[in-house]
Amino acid sequence: GNSVTQMEGPVTLSEEAFLTINCTYTATGYPSLFWYVQYPGEGLQLLLKATKADDKGSNKGFEATYRKETTSFHLEKGSVQVSDSAVYFCALIRIKAAGNKLTFGGGTRVLVKP
Amino acid sequence: GAVVSQHPSWVICKSGTSVKIECRSLDFQATTMFWYRQFPKQSLMLMATSNEGSKATYEQGVEKDKFLINHASLTLSTLTVTSAHPEDSSFYICSARDALLAGGYEQYFGPGTRLTVT
Repeated sequence: GNSVTQMEGPVTLSEEAFLTINCTYTATGYPSLFWYVQYPGEGLQLLLKATKADDKGSNKGFEATYRKETTSFHLEKGSVQVSDSAVYFCALIRIKAAGNKLTFGGGTRVLVKP
Repeated sequence: GAVVSQHPSWVICKSGTSVKIECRSLDFQATTMFWYRQFPKQSLMLMATSNEGSKATYEQGVEKDKFLINHASLTLSTLTVTSAHPEDSSFYICSARDALLAGGYEQYFGPGTRLTVT
């Protein structure tokens, strides 16, 4: 079956530091990959996505590249802010398969200190 | 665009009572809605998938008689937790998908409802 593994947190950083959150996946076929962000007490917001190999998703300074050879979709940001403190979820979906359900990783909590 | 709302945002109820949570798509037609449950500091667990006008499909281990899902229109789905117990306390999140939006597979999430059963 499909699965997503991401690094456990919490990840604690200082403001302006570089952030990397590792995400690897297992899936048959060609999944689409997503990063979602969850701020405290809120639902999930789509941060970025990539639908095919070598695609790079980017938004709000965050980037992730779909690497089929390593089955990875690592999230990066060059200079984090306190407002980036949140839980980040990596997820995949196989289009037109298994009811188009999202498979989530366990989430990584990020805390950015001023 | 693609906004999903949930109501209420939080609710406290007594053990043995039932609670209804609404999920609405505000600016698109949600052909499919999903209900998730999230425990503190954990990932989302899919509970069920519902298509408008048909019965929900529940994930393995989820009691369909306890978690009643109704998707009566293209903009509204409800989750009713029947005879709630303290172990049902959790954060419930819905998402919605429009077959005509963004390739038809992208899910748009609501802000969540925190249920506390005392």
